[in-house]
Amino acid sequence: DGGITQSPKYLFRKEGQNVTLSCEQNLNHDAMYWYRQDPGQGLRLIYYSQIVNDFQKGDIAEGYSVSREKKESFPLTVTSAQKNPTAFYLCASDHRSVGGQDTEAFFGQGTRLTVV
Amino acid sequence: DAKTTQPNSMESNEEEPVHLPCNHSTISGTDYIHWYRQLPSQGPEYVIHGLTSNVNNRMASLAIAEDRKSSTLILHRATLRDAAVYYCILRRYGGSQGNLIFGKGTKLSVKP
Repeated sequence: DGGITQSPKYLFRKEGQNVTLSCEQNLNHDAMYWYRQDPGQGLRLIYYSQIVNDFQKGDIAEGYSVSREKKESFPLTVTSAQKNPTAFYLCASDHRSVGGQDTEAFFGQGTRLTVV
Repeated sequence: DAKTTQPNSMESNEEEPVHLPCNHSTISGTDYIHWYRQLPSQGPEYVIHGLTSNVNNRMASLAIAEDRKSSTLILHRATLRDAAVYYCILRRYGGSQGNLIFGKGTKLSVKP
């Protein structure tokens, strides 16, 4: 089955440590995204990538880094510079547009990161 | 990015229709209207999207006002599984823009 997979589902880290969240998709999508969600809030865009080896900052990129070495993979690193990293992280992917029409985005099931 | 306005919460009875409103008065001609829903501790799920004409799919219907400044997501018969946060989002087609920008959404409660 095609889909988008995030791992792990739960992650605990000590303050000051870098941590990398995995996101893999087998939908052959060009674009991939990382969002952060805090309790009771909507999703905020961290980084996005429209093509391999290229990515752009979203609204809240400070303290995060990404890479896009393969079309299928878009890992997110939460660095020690992120002041409040405890949150629910969501990865998404889509074609952006097909045949002149906008398309739907697919989301992973999320990774809940807790920093202690 | 153009913004949307939705009520914070709505209630519905099971097996009754639900109309979820969304205002987007600053919408531009190339903005698509997307709806997603999210259950607690899960990723958002695509519901429907459209540009100008009303749209139907197996999950819902999307009614778009003639001036496109508002839209309504219609769930024809609400079930308990439809209880979720529903997000109305505008996305600009093409170019380097066009990311999905989420607001706080509408929390839909369904009573048995």
